[in-house]
Amino acid sequence: DAKTTQPPSMDCAEGRAANLPCNHSTISGNEYVYWYRQIHSQGPQYIIHGLKNNETNEMASLIITEDRKSSTLILPHATLRDTAVYYCIVRVEGNGNKLVFGAGTILRVKS
Amino acid sequence: NAGVTQTPKFRILKIGQSMTLQCAQDMNHNYMYWYRQDPGMGLKLIYYSVGAGITDKGEVPNGYNVSRSTTEDFPLRLELAAPSQTSVYFCASSQLGDYEQYFGPGTRLTVT
Repeated sequence: DAKTTQPPSMDCAEGRAANLPCNHSTISGNEYVYWYRQIHSQGPQYIIHGLKNNETNEMASLIITEDRKSSTLILPHATLRDTAVYYCIVRVEGNGNKLVFGAGTILRVKS
Repeated sequence: NAGVTQTPKFRILKIGQSMTLQCAQDMNHNYMYWYRQDPGMGLKLIYYSVGAGITDKGEVPNGYNVSRSTTEDFPLRLELAAPSQTSVYFCASSQLGDYEQYFGPGTRLTVT
C-alpha cells in the first residue's frame, strides 16, 4: 500500500473550516484514499473515501488533486467535538481490505 | 445492533500469563480484524479474517493467535504475555465489498 504523509498537528478555530492535507505521491491507479478519525481513547471512525472524484457526505468533503498525489479533508464548520487524530490511508480494494495506519494529524479545535 | 463489542475493557497481566481478548459483532460482517495501538502511534494490524475458518497474519502477528469458528466471534489469544504487548487492542469488522471498518471500543492491556 502507498505511504501517506500528514502534518503532525493542526489548530482550527471553532466554526471555521478545517482543511487537513495528505500527500500520497506514490499512489497507484487502483488505490483509494480513505480518512478515519480517532477521538481520544475511542476506536477509529470512518469519515469518507474516494478514488478520483471529489466526494462529500454529511461529515466532510474530500478533495483529490487531478494527479491523485495529494488530497485534502475538509470539515466545513469545525466544532470542539471534532478534536481528534485524523488518519489518511491509501488502500487497495480486496486483499482483505486491510488498512495501514500512519501517525495521523492531531487536529485541535479551539473556541 | 450493538455493533462491535470487546471484553474486557481493561486487564493487567503478569509476564508469562496468557489470556484471550474477546471480540464479537452482530452485523453479519464477513471481515474481522485485530489491531494494536501503542501510545502516540497509529494502529498496527495483528491478524485478520475474511470469513469463518479463514485467518491471516497482519503486520505484527508474533506472540498472538486467532481463530474464527463463527461469523460473529474473533478472539485474540496472547500466550506468554510480555511487557512489549502492553497496548490498546482494537477489534474491527467490515462487510464484504463495504467501504468502512467498524471499530470496537478497545481493550487496554498492561503486562508487568
